[in-house]
Amino acid sequence: EPEVTQTPSHQVTQMGQEVILRCVPISNHLYFYWYRQILGQKVEFLVSFYNNEISEKSEIFDDQFSVERPDGSNFTLKIRSTKLEDSAMYFCASRGQGLNTGELFFGEGSRLTVL
Amino acid sequence: AQSVTQLDSHVSVSEGTPVLLRCNYSSSYSPSLFWYVQHPNKGLQLLLKYTSAATLVKGINGFEAEFKKSETSFHLTKPSAHMSDAAEYFCVVSGSTGNQFYFGTGTSLTVIP
Repeated sequence: EPEVTQTPSHQVTQMGQEVILRCVPISNHLYFYWYRQILGQKVEFLVSFYNNEISEKSEIFDDQFSVERPDGSNFTLKIRSTKLEDSAMYFCASRGQGLNTGELFFGEGSRLTVL
Repeated sequence: AQSVTQLDSHVSVSEGTPVLLRCNYSSSYSPSLFWYVQHPNKGLQLLLKYTSAATLVKGINGFEAEFKKSETSFHLTKPSAHMSDAAEYFCVVSGSTGNQFYFGTGTSLTVIP
């Protein structure tokens, strides 16, 4: 069964460092997403991406964040200068072709710890 | 605006007894609704979805949910809890464009042997 894969599973970084989280969505999907879940809190939407551009983003997704689909398979989330409050589990998700084809398929997440 | 409310942050049931996890939504259109499960240190797995077809939706692992428009609810049920059902459950509603998904705060299910 096709699945979304994320790397790394866990990353520890120092405050102020840049971090790139990588995702390989399901191959024929066209919509891509990043969500985050701070420990003990709800899952929060960060950004959605379609047709090589951001389609929607939340207030959390400020100038420190960027997304890219560099090679047609990977979908990356970059945090330019990490802050302590960026520590969270980051989930990548993808969705099929039609606008209403329904569910998101999630990866297992990348846990980011900022020290 | 869309939102989803999970009425219980924690639910505890005995193994073999029924499970009820409650979800209410607010939407100005006909949304799609989903239940996801998250086991410890795992990603989010789809349990079931409602997309304007049958109002009683059957999912994996014996779970089902009923869409009740009049009550704006989409409660998740299972007749008999199993130890492996212990996890975090999220109710999710789609946005008006079908491109964004709004998560409830989650319900932690504990199954007592």
